[in-house]
Amino acid sequence: DAGVTQSPTHLIKTRGQQVTLRCSPKSGHDTVSWYQQALGQGPQFIFQYYEEEERQRGNFPDRFSGHQFPNYSSELNVNALLLGDSALYLCASSPRGVPDTQYFGPGTRLTVL
Amino acid sequence: EDKVVQSPLSLVVHEGDTVTLNCSYEVTNFRSLLWYKQEKKAPTFLFMLTSSGIEKKSGRLSSILDKKELFSILNITATQTGDSAVYLCAGGTSYGKLTFGQGTILTVHP
Repeated sequence: DAGVTQSPTHLIKTRGQQVTLRCSPKSGHDTVSWYQQALGQGPQFIFQYYEEEERQRGNFPDRFSGHQFPNYSSELNVNALLLGDSALYLCASSPRGVPDTQYFGPGTRLTVL
Repeated sequence: EDKVVQSPLSLVVHEGDTVTLNCSYEVTNFRSLLWYKQEKKAPTFLFMLTSSGIEKKSGRLSSILDKKELFSILNITATQTGDSAVYLCAGGTSYGKLTFGQGTILTVHP
């Protein structure tokens, strides 16, 4: 049973560029949440997708947007990258009916130069 | 604003020691308290607690939740070098948003 997968593993971008990160949930899971984890900090909630819609959003600017596809996979898009966007981006999936039971993927390390 | 605070922030012990990690929370629409272990990248799920006073155990690890005092602890007995990691605590809402603490860095020396 494959767990949560994310791509790419690492990414280097320059300020002002745009980036797309991808996530495939665990088999049988239909809800995907995205988190940003800065070095030495706990993950911070960006948003959650369920039934192809954004269900909840944390305190992140509109530069952060997402999408969920009919197969439950998800993308995180960040526009106009800032140096402060450098972080580990984690995706978590959860089964139907228990959105707080979250299993995490290995993350994408984004470096903005 | 939701808040989760973990203590201590770091801990150094020797193999065989017992450790207790603390987590206090203030989360609106609270439903669950979750513990994760993070070694390199992916936080690994350890426990999810929703009821007060009921201890959950998995091998040498155990955890309990106090919903009156808004507090949880994670105990690790007979620590091993493989227990070295960052331990994250998170408060979960019924809608699925997790608010994480800063984490406790545990280092276990041989």
